[in-house]
Amino acid sequence: DTAVSQTPKYLVTQMGNDKSIKCEQNLGHDTMYWYKQDSKKFLKIMFSYNNKELIINETVPNRFSPKSPDKAHLNLHINSLELGDSAVYFCASSLPVDTGELFFGEGSRLTVL
Amino acid sequence: GQNIDQPTEMTATEGAIVQINCTYQTSGFNGLFWYQQHAGEAPTFLSYNVLDGLEEKGRFSSFLSRSKGYSYLLLKELQMKDSASYLCAVLDSNYQLIWGAGTKLIIKP
Repeated sequence: DTAVSQTPKYLVTQMGNDKSIKCEQNLGHDTMYWYKQDSKKFLKIMFSYNNKELIINETVPNRFSPKSPDKAHLNLHINSLELGDSAVYFCASSLPVDTGELFFGEGSRLTVL
Repeated sequence: GQNIDQPTEMTATEGAIVQINCTYQTSGFNGLFWYQQHAGEAPTFLSYNVLDGLEEKGRFSSFLSRSKGYSYLLLKELQMKDSASYLCAVLDSNYQLIWGAGTKLIIKP
């Protein structure tokens, strides 16, 4: 069984569209994250949720909206997609936030045309 | 500001030893992590250092000096499958992970 799974793995769409990426973890972790990795390979934290509550919300456009229906799921919705949104988006989970050991999903490669 | 520096790319020979350095300047320190990321895949956890010294785990070792803001990852008996990016990350005083850009390691036969 995949520990952290995200769908879709590949997403190609036009500018201006709205899209969602889903993430689920079956590790029983309390904390989940969304990271963006751009072409320069920097991993940038976008959001972090602990037990369905937002604890980190970095400076990202408000076109990005996370939703956590329960502590095993953290979805990412993106409105009005722009070319600069093209990147790989990784979902991750961890035990209490201060352990630092993250378990990543396989990534969702978003290409905006 | 917070900063993690590591070389962009390194090349080594199969069977050899390579040391990947990481220096950091962060607001507080609650541990340093090394992750491995193969091309097109997710990062996977390698090691965690919170006290000064060397942590050994098989062919991989990680060293930390908090006073110098410095760590290194040592890979011994290099194998072709070790070709990957190695990411250094520091947990700051707010327990946020600050990531370096990663070091791409190329292993040649």
